Amino acid sequence: RKEVEQDPGPFNVPEGATVAFNCTYSNSASQSFFWYRQDCRKEPKLLMSVYSSGNEDGRFTAQLNRASQYISLLIRDSKLSDSATYLCVVHPGQAGTALIFGKGTTLSVSS
Amino acid sequence: EAGVTQSPTHLIKTRGQQATLRCSPISGHTSVYWYQQALGLGLQFLLWYDEGEERNRGNFPPRFSGRQFPNYSSELNVNALELEDSALYLCASSWLRTDWITDTQYFGPGTRLTVL
Repeated sequence: RKEVEQDPGPFNVPEGATVAFNCTYSNSASQSFFWYRQDCRKEPKLLMSVYSSGNEDGRFTAQLNRASQYISLLIRDSKLSDSATYLCVVHPGQAGTALIFGKGTTLSVSS
Repeated sequence: EAGVTQSPTHLIKTRGQQATLRCSPISGHTSVYWYQQALGLGLQFLLWYDEGEERNRGNFPPRFSGRQFPNYSSELNVNALELEDSALYLCASSWLRTDWITDTQYFGPGTRLTVL
């Protein structure tokens, strides 16, 4: 099993749609979780951290399910500008280890 | 506050040559990470430096090396370039928590290396 797995997509949705991405991780000791956004040929940018209680930032909601070892990202009222690749990122929990990036899920929002 | 900066933006080399890529972290960040992202692939972790020391290394051959300077800036060196080294090389920086757990990473714009 890969350390961090994501459905690569692409997810093609119309403007205004609600779309959800899931990500699974293999290491139950993982401590920190993030969603990054990467536009084509650009650097990844932090979208939001994911907390155990779940967190929301405007149209974006992130959830963490430790028992099932998955993280989700919900985007409501999709905008054209949401088109990007969304990277699920996990810290495996051991001190001195680097973050692990999923390969990303591509979202395309059309008018 | 300035973000992570990288230079050069683009670099074109031929097989067998050496490439040097540079990164300046966000002020106050002590950790610098290097990643390789080949076209259509995910980020592959290369190297992590903190306080001038190499803390971790990804699954790459020794011809990928680097260093971190006292001002926390960093260099990535790739020797004996191969065609498959063509990729976007991303640098990120972060705080390092006292428990040695990596904090949120912030990325620079990357250096696009093309090997001909």
